[in-house]
Amino acid sequence: NAGVMQNPRHLVRRRGQEARLRCSPMKGHSHVYWYRQLPEEGLKFMVYLQKENIIDESGMPKERFSAEFPKEGPSILRIQQVVRGDSAAYFCASSLVYGTLTEAFFGQGTRLTVV
Amino acid sequence: QKEVEQNSGPLSVPEGAIASLNCTYSDRGSQSFFWYRQYSGKSPELIMFIYSNGDKEDGRFTAQLNKASQYVSLLIRDSQPSDSATYLCAVNSGANSKLTFGKGITLSVRP
Repeated sequence: NAGVMQNPRHLVRRRGQEARLRCSPMKGHSHVYWYRQLPEEGLKFMVYLQKENIIDESGMPKERFSAEFPKEGPSILRIQQVVRGDSAAYFCASSLVYGTLTEAFFGQGTRLTVV
Repeated sequence: QKEVEQNSGPLSVPEGAIASLNCTYSDRGSQSFFWYRQYSGKSPELIMFIYSNGDKEDGRFTAQLNKASQYVSLLIRDSQPSDSATYLCAVNSGANSKLTFGKGITLSVRP
């Protein structure tokens, strides 16, 4: 009964490189959310996806960031040409949705460090 | 813009006391409310959710919701040092909406 799985747990990238963060939701969950957490700050919503669809990307920066949740395989958060300000913990959550109730469970996060 | 506000911390209580954590939200259309606990360097862990006015109890934890006042709180009875963590309030405004989080409040329980 695995929970939400994220990998890698830690990722170091040089400025200008690409970062790919992966998230496998809990079994049976079809909704995935990505959040970013900067040191000493709360969780900031980035994007909400269902299988093959982006439902809400209002929290995604306009450039360099993209996300997908293909029919098969994990959800991917992709950051192109990383900058130091992208250093943060990135958390994925998955949920079932029962009407208006969304009970989301988080993965362990990927801690991205840009050097 | 939908906002979720939590008391600025940190909050320090002695072991055995009741810790009261508060949260207000701006979107009257919000329908479900969540409390997460996050230990330093770890991921958020769901403690409780509530979607009806009133109280909901689970062990030492009680969530309280007042939609008229747009207020949700978490009470922790018989606080333990292991309760020391950051507590995040989150609000969902509908089936296709994301969870909006407050900045969190850090609780410290003194032995």
